[in-house]
Amino acid sequence: EAGVTQFPSHSVIEKGQTVTLRCDPISGHDNLYWYRRVMGKEIKFLLHFVKESKQDESGMPNNRFLAERTGGTYSTLKVQPAELEDSGVYFCASSQDLLAGVHEQYFGPGTRLTVT
Amino acid sequence: DAKTTQPNSMESNEEEPVHLPCNHSTISGTDYIHWYRQLPSQGPEYVIHGLTSNVNNRMASLAIAEDRKSSTLILHRATLRDAAVYYCILRAYSGAGSYQLTFGKGTKLSVIP
Repeated sequence: EAGVTQFPSHSVIEKGQTVTLRCDPISGHDNLYWYRRVMGKEIKFLLHFVKESKQDESGMPNNRFLAERTGGTYSTLKVQPAELEDSGVYFCASSQDLLAGVHEQYFGPGTRLTVT
Repeated sequence: DAKTTQPNSMESNEEEPVHLPCNHSTISGTDYIHWYRQLPSQGPEYVIHGLTSNVNNRMASLAIAEDRKSSTLILHRATLRDAAVYYCILRAYSGAGSYQLTFGKGTKLSVIP
């Protein structure tokens, strides 16, 4: 079974440009999470999808970040316009139905974003 | 969110057991104790979780204090592949149906051959 995949693995863009990160969760996982680690900081939660709905977006830093999960499968995270402080590693994770008592979140390898 | 306290770093010799401590004195009755680890250049990886009783799985054991204010992750025989940052996380229900994980700084485990 394939794990969580993320694309691209690394992106270098200039300040003011737009970048879109993609996450493909494990097949059948309704829950999809985005996290990020910016330089020198801890890994922080951004938002949580249940299928195509945003369940919790309390961690989104500002309106330059837009997450979508059309059709409840893969998700994209767009940063527009990118700022220097957005540099870091963006992780996606997925998990099964929480009502089933499943607790593990499976993480992807991350996308390293560098804004110059 | 309830917070956890872990040592910044620990060392272990290969093939020996490792006990990674975590303090969580403000834990609430419904908080699960989770452990994840992050190997270099990889995303975090689930290790184990528990609520009140000690837990064992193929990767590790989790010992939870009777008052739940501390816990210990036990790796029975450390290997070089266990060198990673280990995170002790209290998984709180955020009230919006979300089970976000709140990562701290974790403990960097070094394994000496």
